[in-house]
Amino acid sequence: NAGVMQNPRHLVRRRGQEARLRCSPMKGHSHVYWYRQLPEEGLKFMVYLQKENIIDESGMPKERFSAEFPKEGPSILRIQQVVRGDSAAYFCASSGDRVYEQYFGPGTRLTVT
Amino acid sequence: GENVEQHPSTLSVQEGDSAVIKCTYSDSASNYFPWYKQELGKRPQLIIDIRSNVGEKKDQRIAVTLNKTAKHFSLHITETQPEDSAVYFCAASALDRGSTLGRLYFGRGTQLTVWP
Repeated sequence: NAGVMQNPRHLVRRRGQEARLRCSPMKGHSHVYWYRQLPEEGLKFMVYLQKENIIDESGMPKERFSAEFPKEGPSILRIQQVVRGDSAAYFCASSGDRVYEQYFGPGTRLTVT
Repeated sequence: GENVEQHPSTLSVQEGDSAVIKCTYSDSASNYFPWYKQELGKRPQLIIDIRSNVGEKKDQRIAVTLNKTAKHFSLHITETQPEDSAVYFCAASALDRGSTLGRLYFGRGTQLTVWP
């Protein structure tokens, strides 16, 4: 049973470019969460999605950031016009109906140069 | 919103000793408290959790205690081993609040180093 998959594992973007981060939940899970981890800090909640629905995006910056979880395919976190401050590790987690039992993917480490 | 504080930020112990990491939370509605272990460059992994209807939970060398009145909870690792070295994160969540359902609030982490 494959765990949560994320790709790419490492992503380098120049300032102003777009970053797309993908997350495939565990088999049987329909809830996806995105978290951001800055160096030497804990994980900060960004957004919670179910298939075709954004449940809670209150942790996500209002500009440049968007997320989706389409009916088919992985969840995508999109960051437009990246800036140096977006450099961080972005973790995706998934759960079944017990939404508090979240299983994390390996993360995508975004570096903005 | 919820605010989770975690101490200490770093902890070094000798192999075989015990390690204790403490967290406090601010939201009295929080009733679920998981602990995650994150090895360098790897994903956070859930190692133990506790719900507010119990005061203590054990799993082999790991235990978690909860004091709801004081709003603090702790992770205890006994007979530490070098492979316990990692960053440990506590988190809190309010399972009964629809507006923040699914949201985990994390502490800043504790870097535990176990010396052989």
